[in-house]
Amino acid sequence: DVKVTQSSRYLVKRTGEKVFLECVQDMDHENMFWYRQDPGLGLRLIYFSYDVKMKEKGDIPEGYSVSREKKERFSLILESASTNQTSMYLCASSFGPGNTIYFGEGSWLTVV
Amino acid sequence: RKEVEQDPGPFNVPEGATVAFNCTYSNSASQSFFWYRQDCRKEPKLLMSVYSSGNEDGRFTAQLNRASQYISLLIRDSKLSDSATYLCVVTLSDDMRFGAGTRLTVKP
Repeated sequence: DVKVTQSSRYLVKRTGEKVFLECVQDMDHENMFWYRQDPGLGLRLIYFSYDVKMKEKGDIPEGYSVSREKKERFSLILESASTNQTSMYLCASSFGPGNTIYFGEGSWLTVV
Repeated sequence: RKEVEQDPGPFNVPEGATVAFNCTYSNSASQSFFWYRQDCRKEPKLLMSVYSSGNEDGRFTAQLNRASQYISLLIRDSKLSDSATYLCVVTLSDDMRFGAGTRLTVKP
């Protein structure tokens, strides 16, 4: 069965803290994604990666960075968390273009 | 204009009703299309892919109209358990675009 695992489900962080969100997939997928989802705005792509050590900016990369050192792991980093980064973060993966995308369960981040 | 647009709803329907959602997309070169279902505070999950010839899975029928650039989802004989938000997804190569979702509530 397909599995995308996000290590932290619920986090509360203070403004200015560095935040790491980890994501692991066990399907040998090439592509991995980080989205955030906010009410009324839908899913917005932050970054994606189509190979190890490769990354591409999505629609809203500002304030975020990513790391993909191994094929199965894709990390999202908030260098200095701000209150407007309070959101639900979804990691996803797929085999490649046009293929089904599978999501992790989501990480709910609150920045206070 | 948004790249992928959906009527946000909410659609409130009684059990047993038939309900249809549309999703329009702006890029005529789009290649693949999907419908996802998302329950409250959960992740989106694939409901069905949408093929050019249309496809059916039980009570659910998906269709693609390339000329008018929209996809549709029809749910027949609605169940209480169909209550969720339905997201359409349109892809072009590695670029996947999600609609904001249509919320459906099925009532007894």
